[in-house]
Amino acid sequence: KQEVTQIPAALSVPEGENLVLNCSFTDSAIYNLQWFRQDPGKGLTSLLLIQSSQREQTSGRLNASLDKSSGRSTLYIAASQPGDSATYLCAVSPRDDKIIFGKGTRLHILP
Amino acid sequence: GAVVSQHPSWVICKSGTSVKIECRSLDFQATTMFWYRQFPKQSLMLMATSNEGSKATYEQGVEKDKFLINHASLTLSTLTVTSAHPEDSSFYICSARKENLLSADTQYFGPGTRLTVL
Repeated sequence: KQEVTQIPAALSVPEGENLVLNCSFTDSAIYNLQWFRQDPGKGLTSLLLIQSSQREQTSGRLNASLDKSSGRSTLYIAASQPGDSATYLCAVSPRDDKIIFGKGTRLHILP
Repeated sequence: GAVVSQHPSWVICKSGTSVKIECRSLDFQATTMFWYRQFPKQSLMLMATSNEGSKATYEQGVEKDKFLINHASLTLSTLTVTSAHPEDSSFYICSARKENLLSADTQYFGPGTRLTVL
């Protein structure tokens, strides 16, 4: 059974710092991996999607990497801003129609 | 773009009543939609897969007679929580799968519905 773990569960960093969020999954047979952002009481915003054949994806200040063999992914946020405060969810798809989510990392950027 | 809406955004009901939540894909057709439930500080858990014109597929442990799903059109799926109880209070999120001819299909998520059962 696929399980997704995110560490840390919560993180507070001063504005301007670079930071890394970690995600691990137990079954390396995945179709893709996604990182989402969720603001309190809101839905999900997809940030980056990495196909199983890819190693990383970049969008603006965000960079996500994927090491499928070791079951790990990281989300790197450069030059953090208070507006980055949210919960970040890692999710894997064992096939193209199913998504399994981690519990998320609650990020708080201190002004 | 690809936009998915949910209605209502929040609902409060008395124990024993039924509540219907709508999920709409506004600018694309979705033969497949998904319903998730999220408890506080927990991950989203897939409840069921809704297929247009056919019966929904429920995940293990989800009562199909309690959570009725109807996907009568290519842009609308509904989730009805029947005889709701306080333990059903949760954040319900739907997603709709947009099929892409030249790339992998993508799921787009709705904004969620907060259900509180008194």
